[in-house]
Order: sequence, then structure tokens, then C-alpha cells
Amino acid sequence: GAVVSQHPSRVICKSGTSVKIECRSLDFQATTMFWYRQFPKQSLMLMATSNEGSKATYEQGVEKDKFLINHASLTLSTLTVTSAHPEDSSFYICSAPGTSGYGYTFGSGTRLTVV
Amino acid sequence: QKEVEQNSGPLSVPEGAIASLNCTYSDRGSQSFFWYRQYSGKSPELIMFIYSNGDKEDGRFTAQLNKASQYVSLLIRDSQPSDSATYLCASSSGAGSYQLTFGKGTKLSVIP
Repeated sequence: GAVVSQHPSRVICKSGTSVKIECRSLDFQATTMFWYRQFPKQSLMLMATSNEGSKATYEQGVEKDKFLINHASLTLSTLTVTSAHPEDSSFYICSAPGTSGYGYTFGSGTRLTVV
Repeated sequence: QKEVEQNSGPLSVPEGAIASLNCTYSDRGSQSFFWYRQYSGKSPELIMFIYSNGDKEDGRFTAQLNKASQYVSLLIRDSQPSDSATYLCASSSGAGSYQLTFGKGTKLSVIP
């Protein structure tokens, strides 16, 4: 089945630094990638939608200059959290529409802790 | 604004019982509905999806959809301790590349 590989699974960084999260579709081409953020005991909140070869679409309230999304190829989408602050600490998950039409394949998630 | 509502729980059921999870949605344009299971610290995994009114069964799981009432449910028969997790209900405007709107999830605890 469709697999999305997400790295790193866990990262701790200092406040003010940048962190890049990668999501790769391993056995299918992901023209679209959804990026979610999940705070403790909260639901997944869509941050942005990336499409291969075009600019990402950000949800209301998400700073596009802070959360840089690049979808340069059909198998790789990246999210860079720039100038991270403690309030950016969260669980970030990517998801791509699968190959079966109704399936959405999730990456394994990245736990970001900013200290 | 599209919303998906779930009772946050926790819902506690004894092992072997039926667990019933409920979800309502606000967008009448929603076409497809999904139930995901999420263990603590892990990403969601798909249990079932449903897009037609009525029941859909898969093993111990039955999803029910009532579009007139904008209501979706998930029944888990013969609940096992390994079913203990947070269950997320999600809606989509269509198949394929449409984004999902998630509820906050219901935490289920199956007591041995």
C-alpha cells in the first residue's frame, strides 16, 4: 500500500533556530500533501496544502513566512519551521491522498520541542 | 465553517462489550467520512470510511452514516484492551485530494 515516510520522528531545537521536516511518498506519486499540527489533547488542524510545482495554500491564521513549505517533486514535500519558539512545540503530521481514491496516507509524525 | 463534533470522553467499556462512538458534522456538502484510530504519540491510522447512508461493516467495526441527521457513528464489537485509543472522526468534501476536517477525537478505554 501507499506509504509516506516522515523524518525526523522527534526533534528538540533551541528557540530561534529552524527545523525542517520531510515527507516522502515511497511507492506512489503525491501531487498533494497536507500538513497538520496537533497540540496535546487537541485534534489535527490543517496548516497548509502543498501541491507539486506550485505555491502552498495556507489556512487562515498560519504564517506562511514562518512555516515554509516546499513541494519540489512528486515524492517529496518539506515543512520548515523558521525561527522556532516554544509555542511552536507540537506534533506535525503530513498526509497524502492515497492511490485508492478514498485513502489518505499519513506520515508517522514529528514531535517538535522548542526549548 | 466546517466543523466535526465528537464527545471527548473518556468512554470506558469493559472488555468484550460494544463501544459506540458518535460524531456530528456541520457541512451538508460533506461527502465522505472517515474513522481514524490514534494511539498516544502516533499518527492516525484509518479504520473505515463511509460515503453512503446506512451501515458498513468490516470485521468488528461497523460505521453508520445518516446524512439527513448529519451523524456518523462507529461501533466496535467485542472490544479489546488494544482498542484503547483516541478515535478521530473526519469529513471530506469528496474523494481523492480534498482535505479532511477532523473532530477532536473520543478517547476510548477498554477495561480488561
